[in-house]
This record gives sequence, C-alpha cells and structure tokens, in this order.
Amino acid sequence: KQEVTQIPAALSVPEGENLVLNCSFTDSAIYNLQWFRQDPGKGLTSLLLIQSSQREQTSGRLNASLDKSSGRSTLYIAASQPGDSATYLCAVYLGGSEKLVFGKGTKLTVNP
Amino acid sequence: GAGVSQSPSNKVTEKGKDVELRCDPISGHTALYWYRQSLGQGLEFLIYFQGNSAPDKSGLPSDRFSAERTGGSVSTLTIQRTQQEDSAVYLCASRLDQETQYFGPGTRLLVL
Repeated sequence: KQEVTQIPAALSVPEGENLVLNCSFTDSAIYNLQWFRQDPGKGLTSLLLIQSSQREQTSGRLNASLDKSSGRSTLYIAASQPGDSATYLCAVYLGGSEKLVFGKGTKLTVNP
Repeated sequence: GAGVSQSPSNKVTEKGKDVELRCDPISGHTALYWYRQSLGQGLEFLIYFQGNSAPDKSGLPSDRFSAERTGGSVSTLTIQRTQQEDSAVYLCASRLDQETQYFGPGTRLLVL
C-alpha cells in the first residue's frame, strides 16, 4: 500500500528565507508526483507536476525535485513571502491507477 | 465555467439525516473525483468517474456513501443516515486527459 509522508508537519520561517519541504513515498512505481497548496477554507491549487521520467520542475520561486529510486521529493521555495503561508500537500499517482495518494501536508507560516 | 464549483459550501445536519453534495466540474473534463479531508488527516480518495466507464468506488468507506454523475458532467455525493464521523470537508476535482486535477473549494459537512 502506497504511503506518503511529509516532514515537517509545520514550519515557521522569517520572510526572505529559502526553505525546503520534504515528501517521501513507499512505492516507487508512481506515474507522477504533484505538489499542491491549500489555503485555509479553500480547495487545492496545483503548484507543480513532475512526471515519473523527470527529475525536477520549476515555476517562479518554486522548484520541485523527484528521486523515484529513493522515494523522495522536495519542494524548494526561494525568498519566502508572507503570501506563501499555506499548507503544502504532496501527492503521487500510482502506476496503473487513477488515484492520487496524498500526504498529510506541511503547514508553512512565513512571518513578516 | 472558470473552475470546479461545489454546493453547498457548508452543511450542518443532524445524525441520521441524509445529505447530498453537488459538484460541477470544469466543462469538458472527462474525469471527476471525490475526496474527503477529515481534521488532522490527509485527503482520502472516495470515488472516481471517467467518461462512461464504471466508476471506481474503492474508496467509499461504507454502503451509506454513494455517488452518481449524470450526463458525464455534474456529480452528486450522497451520504445516508449520517454519523458524526462523517464530519469532514468533501472535495471534488476534475481532470482532462493526463493533466493535473483541478479542485473545487469543498463542502464543509458537520454532523451534530
């Protein structure tokens, strides 16, 4: 059974700091991996999608990496801003399945 | 429409009552998903619709839960004889081909 773990569960940083969020998964037979952002009381917003054949994806100040062999992904946020405060969720598509398996998220607070 | 919409945004009901939650996916999206997000838990897959194929109901927690998708568009998630443990945020998402899933804002269900 695929399990997705995110560490840390919560993170508080001062504005301007670079930070890394971690995601690990137990079964490397994934189709792709996605990072989402969830704001309080809102739905999820897709940030980055990495296909299983890719190593990383970049969008603005965000960079996500994928290492299938070790079952790990990281989300790097450069020059953090208070508007980055949210819960960040990692999810994997299982190979041969249409299901997304989610981690429990990392709650990020960026203090001005 | 511009995005996935869900109604109602909030629902308070009494234990034992039936509830219906509605999802309007993005026009043209062939895949539709329902998830549940309980307090302190990750997102839990409930059910998946793809075109005219039989839905994947493997995530439904009990036979009190059912869902249908009419005309390949709007979907309704029905919970019969609600229990307090059904209290959660119910999220709907839609997807076109192999692209990312787009999530609605969710319905917050509270069973008293």
